[in-house]
Amino acid sequence: AQSVTQLGSHVSVSEGALVLLRCNYSSSVPPYLFWYVQYPNQGLQLLLKYTSAATLVKGINGFEAEFKKSETSFHLTKPSAHMSDAAEYFCAVSEGSGGYQKVTFGTGTKLQVIP
Amino acid sequence: SQTIHQWPATLVQPVGSPLSLECTVEGTSNPNLYWYRQAAGRGLQLLFYSVGIGQISSEVPQNLSASRPQDRQFILSSKKLLLSDSGFYLCAWNTAGATYEQYFGPGTRLTVT
Repeated sequence: AQSVTQLGSHVSVSEGALVLLRCNYSSSVPPYLFWYVQYPNQGLQLLLKYTSAATLVKGINGFEAEFKKSETSFHLTKPSAHMSDAAEYFCAVSEGSGGYQKVTFGTGTKLQVIP
Repeated sequence: SQTIHQWPATLVQPVGSPLSLECTVEGTSNPNLYWYRQAAGRGLQLLFYSVGIGQISSEVPQNLSASRPQDRQFILSSKKLLLSDSGFYLCAWNTAGATYEQYFGPGTRLTVT
C-alpha cells in the first residue's frame, strides 16, 4: 500500500532563506508524486508533479522538487522564501495505471515565513 | 479550461439537520470526482469517489452519502448531521488515464452546532 510521510508539521524560515519541506513515500510500484499548496480557507493548488520523466521537477512560484528513488524521497525546495509562501503544503502519492487511482496525501506541513 | 465550483462556501447547521453540498465541474467530460473532508490537524480524508454517473464508492463508513446525478455534478448529503461532521469539505476531479493529479474546488466550511 502507498503512503506518504511529511517530516515536520510546522516549519519556520526567514524571508529570503531556503525553504525545504520533506516528504518520504512508500510505494510498491513506480509512483506519481505531487506537491500541493493550500492557503487558509481555500482549496488545494497543484504546485508540481513527478511522472517518471526528469527527476528534478520545477513547479509554480519558484518551487522545485527532486525525486530520489534510493531515498524514497520527494523534498520540496525554494531558494528564497517570500512572505506569500506562508501556507500549508501537502505531499501526495499515486500509483498504478488506468481507471481510478487513489491518491494518498500526507498530513501537511505549515510553512511560516518570518520577516 | 476546466473549472470546479462548490456551493455553498460556508454553512452553519444544527445537529440533526440535513446537509447537501454541491460540486460541479466545467470544461471536461466523464471526470473522476472525489469528496474529501479536512478536519483540523488531520490532513485530507477521502470520503467518496465516483468514476461515472450513478457510480459511488465509499471510503469511510459514516452518516454521509454521495450521489452523482449528472456527469459533472457531485453531491454530498446527510440526513442528520453530527457534531463530528464539522470540517472543511473539498471536492476534486481528475481524468482517468492521465497522470492522476487531482484538481480541487474552493471548499465548503461546515460548522455543526
